[in-house]
Amino acid sequence: GENVEQHPSTLSVQEGDSAVIKCTYSDSASNYFPWYKQELGKRPQLIIDIRSNVGEKKDQRIAVTLNKTAKHFSLHITETQPEDSAVYFCAASIGDYKLSFGAGTTVTVRA
Amino acid sequence: NAGVMQNPRHLVRRRGQEARLRCSPMKGHSHVYWYRQLPEEGLKFMVYLQKENIIDESGMPKERFSAEFPKEGPSILRIQQVVRGDSAAYFCASSPPDRLAKNIQYFGAGTRLSVL
Repeated sequence: GENVEQHPSTLSVQEGDSAVIKCTYSDSASNYFPWYKQELGKRPQLIIDIRSNVGEKKDQRIAVTLNKTAKHFSLHITETQPEDSAVYFCAASIGDYKLSFGAGTTVTVRA
Repeated sequence: NAGVMQNPRHLVRRRGQEARLRCSPMKGHSHVYWYRQLPEEGLKFMVYLQKENIIDESGMPKERFSAEFPKEGPSILRIQQVVRGDSAAYFCASSPPDRLAKNIQYFGAGTRLSVL
């Protein structure tokens, strides 16, 4: 089955700096890659996603890049703010409906 | 749109009791997924259901766990004879029937089950 690996497991950045989280996947048939943000005790929230027909997608301070050949995708957060502190999960699609999630990255933005 | 609704938010059970977790998908969504999340871990897929059908239960433990999504009412995840190892957050997600929106999943706030 699909195996998604996510790195790093923890990330501490100074406010205003950039944060990058990387994920790799194993199933070459995966074609949908969402990112979720989960604040402590709250629901995972979809923040950005990308399908395999594009290489990059941007939404304000958040961007995702996808390299299908290498089977990896990354989340980039620029100009980080304290409210960006959360756990971030990447995921890759399995077939038409399932998602396989990475283990998560705990991001801490230092003021 | 109220989003995906889960209840209860917190559930405490003693070993051997039954736990029933409920999930109402977003309006217009016909696909429901259940996930389990242990502390400081990722989301583990348990089961995928459509109305009156279990499509994929490959992530469900073979014993004590069951799920349903009846024609009327919420989806139910049922855990019989709970053990301490069942303590976790259980999240429900839903997705629309739109073929173009497949795989897109929206999560509820979760039910945190504590087994004493």
